[in-house]
Amino acid sequence: SQKIEQNSEALNIQEGKTATLTCNYTNYSPAYLQWYRQDPGRGPVFLLLIRENEKEKRKERLKVTFDTTLKQSLFHITASQPADSATYLCALGRGGGSQGNLIFGKGTKLSVKP
Amino acid sequence: DTGVSQDPRHKITKRGQNVTFRCDPISEHNRLYWYRQTLGQGPEFLTYFQNEAQLEKSRLLSDRFSAERPKGSFSTLEIQRTEQGDSAMYLCASSSVWTDNEQFFGPGTRLTVL
Repeated sequence: SQKIEQNSEALNIQEGKTATLTCNYTNYSPAYLQWYRQDPGRGPVFLLLIRENEKEKRKERLKVTFDTTLKQSLFHITASQPADSATYLCALGRGGGSQGNLIFGKGTKLSVKP
Repeated sequence: DTGVSQDPRHKITKRGQNVTFRCDPISEHNRLYWYRQTLGQGPEFLTYFQNEAQLEKSRLLSDRFSAERPKGSFSTLEIQRTEQGDSAMYLCASSSVWTDNEQFFGPGTRLTVL
């Protein structure tokens, strides 16, 4: 069955450092992968999308890589700030005519200490 | 605020009762999704509409669950004969055909079944 794993439930880092979160998947061939941020008691907020034919995507302090051979995506937040503290979710999508179903990982809770 | 609203935000009910949730998506979005999220887990896909047509349903959506989107605008999710295992956050999201399935989530409805 399809499986998506995010490397750790929690990640604690010091302000100013780079946070690196990992998303691995098995038994799936996604057309794209998305990263979302979720704060407690709120819905997820879209951050970045990377397609299967893209290696890297950047947006301000965020960088995502996608390796379809390793079946892995890395999500980096550079110059992290306490305001970056949240749970980060990766999600896989099939694309094409089947736009509905996103498969989410459990998330990694990031804490950035001042 | 993403522009997706959900009502109510919280619902407490007794086992065996029926509940109905409403989602109002971003007005120009023709795709609408329902997810369920329990503590420490990522959102799990329930069902998906394109306009008024329900195109996908998860096997999680038992026969006690029904969703509608009668005019292709707002949607309702009804749970009949609620069980304690139905306690969760129910999230609604919407997206546009013109984007790569970037989903905009509402704040969710937290259901507690006593």
